[in-house]
Amino acid sequence: DAKTTQPTSMDCAEGRAANLPCNHSTISGNEYVYWYRQIHSQGPQYIIHGLKNNETNEMASLIITEDRKSSTLILPHATLRDTAVYYCIVRASGGSYIPTFGRGTSLIVHP
Amino acid sequence: GAVVSQHPSWVICKSGTSVKIECRSLDFQATTMFWYRQFPKQSLMLMATSNEGSKATYEQGVEKDKFLINHASLTLSTLTVTSAHPEDSSFYICSASAESSGIYSYEQYFGPGTRLTVT
Repeated sequence: DAKTTQPTSMDCAEGRAANLPCNHSTISGNEYVYWYRQIHSQGPQYIIHGLKNNETNEMASLIITEDRKSSTLILPHATLRDTAVYYCIVRASGGSYIPTFGRGTSLIVHP
Repeated sequence: GAVVSQHPSWVICKSGTSVKIECRSLDFQATTMFWYRQFPKQSLMLMATSNEGSKATYEQGVEKDKFLINHASLTLSTLTVTSAHPEDSSFYICSASAESSGIYSYEQYFGPGTRLTVT
């Protein structure tokens, strides 16, 4: 699976949009971009994933660049409960897959 | 749907004793389960991969005789930490995936984690 690079930490004001970048310049054509987050002392939570088109669900939006070498997770109206570590992972669809996590981005949402 | 549970959510045990952690997929059959360990302020580290009915595959540096994994059914995997030491104190997280067609196929779902403290 392709390696990802994320900033170590970010902060955001409550109510504002949080934009979390991820670089995955070695992504392959069949690899998806997945985002998870981990709130302190909890298991990771799936947020969203995409292949090449932008995606949106009730939690977030995922913007993938045309060359697919980077992506941005957008939390449109961040709340204090969005404070967590956000992990960007690229993986192939289907088949056997051994999930590994990098260090992620620690997002702090402040009042 | 796609809920994974862990039990217990936290446990304190004395050094030298063994402790068992259960991971269950509640509404799907998990052909593969993964066990992770997470130390404070660090990322999740994969310990082992287990497939139902077969022996687990351990990551390099993980002692298979110390961390016993049993994946006896498609909905249950257990991790037993044997002869626990204080350095085994950590947050243990399991995840499950269903490698078959269907709504949950190939996706990975995580349990809430188990906090182990060895005194």
